Amino acid sequence: GNSVTQMEGPVTLSEEAFLTINCTYTATGYPSLFWYVQYPGEGLQLLLKATKADDKGSNKGFEATYRKETTSFHLEKGSVQVSDSAVYFCALITNTGFQKLVFGTGTRLLVSP
Amino acid sequence: NAGVTQTPKFRILKIGQSMTLQCTQDMNHNYMYWYRQDPGMGLKLIYYSVGAGITDKGEVPNGYNVSRSTTEDFPLRLELAAPSQTSVYFCASSSSGTGGSGNTIYFGEGSWLTVV
Repeated sequence: GNSVTQMEGPVTLSEEAFLTINCTYTATGYPSLFWYVQYPGEGLQLLLKATKADDKGSNKGFEATYRKETTSFHLEKGSVQVSDSAVYFCALITNTGFQKLVFGTGTRLLVSP
Repeated sequence: NAGVTQTPKFRILKIGQSMTLQCTQDMNHNYMYWYRQDPGMGLKLIYYSVGAGITDKGEVPNGYNVSRSTTEDFPLRLELAAPSQTSVYFCASSSSGTGGSGNTIYFGEGSWLTVV
């Protein structure tokens, strides 16, 4: 079946540090890949997406590259801010059949000043 | 700029009570979904709908019912609430079911439900 595996959190960083949150997936066919962010007390917001191999999604200084050879979609940011503290979810949608998001378990990021 | 709107945002229920979580979207999306999010977990699909009059079960449908009488609305009903239904509920919508095109699923802000 389809699944997404994320690194366990929390990830604790100081402001301006480099961030990597690992995400790998298992899927049939060629899925679209997403990162969603959930700020404290809020719903999920789409952060970025990539729909085919070697695509790079980017938004708000965050980037992730769709790596088919390693089935990965790692989230990176060069310099995190306190306001980036949130839970980050990696997700996929397969391109066959019904469009159902499959989520990872989420990774909490805590950024201290 | 409403997108997906859920109500209520917070609710406390007693065991055995019933309630309906409301969801409406103004993007003319055919596909709508209900997810639940338990602490430290990802989202699990409860029910989904591919258009007005059509609904189907997701991964965790027990204890819930849905209806889709219009394109805009997709209410989720909890019958005989149980503590195991304490969770955060998210409604979502998308324009189609073809994941390969990269269609985005849009989420509401969530409904925090506690059953005591």
